[in-house]
Amino acid sequence: DSGVTQTPKHLITATGQRVTLRCSPRSGDLSVYWYQQSLDQGLQFLIQYYNGEERAKGNILERFSAQQFPDLHSELNLSSLELGDSALYFCASSEGTDDYYGYTFGSGTRLTVV
Amino acid sequence: AQSVAQPEDQVNVAEGNPLTVKCTYSVSGNPYLFWYVQYPNRGLQFLLKYITGDNLVKGSYGFEAEFNKSQTSFHLKKPSALVSDSALYFCAVRDGSGAGSYQLTFGKGTKLSVIP
Repeated sequence: DSGVTQTPKHLITATGQRVTLRCSPRSGDLSVYWYQQSLDQGLQFLIQYYNGEERAKGNILERFSAQQFPDLHSELNLSSLELGDSALYFCASSEGTDDYYGYTFGSGTRLTVV
Repeated sequence: AQSVAQPEDQVNVAEGNPLTVKCTYSVSGNPYLFWYVQYPNRGLQFLLKYITGDNLVKGSYGFEAEFNKSQTSFHLKKPSALVSDSALYFCAVRDGSGAGSYQLTFGKGTKLSVIP
């Protein structure tokens, strides 16, 4: 157990729907990062939050949004889902905002859009 | 922009033989380099990192990596492969100078298969 908890582990939903993925960071970590892993694109950085505030944005679609709550857990909201959104979504956490120790990853949420 | 290239999609090696998984990188400042491993249906696990200092970095499970600044490479190595090493390996980089992105940029991954 890495200490980063992601729920649910699996999610199957229809096109056009909206889902929420949840992440609890490792105890003491203030930064949360969201990554999308697909076969053709590899690991793509989506967004980072640090202590409740958005820190950086990557290749995140406008249909996607995220937030980090006062208890430091984070949610990634995916709306108007398309077949191409099917992927593994990983959350990672780190202690700081400028962290050269690397990240601790969760086990991921596998999203299947049908 | 920072980037990572893992030129081999798959590496096959016989058990007991040495293994190398290749990685080259591009950053504008000082590179912070990482290797992660991913087993099926699992998240990425940290193996080792290079920040500064000795060019040969030792990590978990007997893996090591050599930083080569002139060749902008950070190849992962292990003297004797085990079947249990079969997994997907990711190289990652970030710019340590503060001029670039603080987020890790990952390569596309290399699937390592160790054959008994």
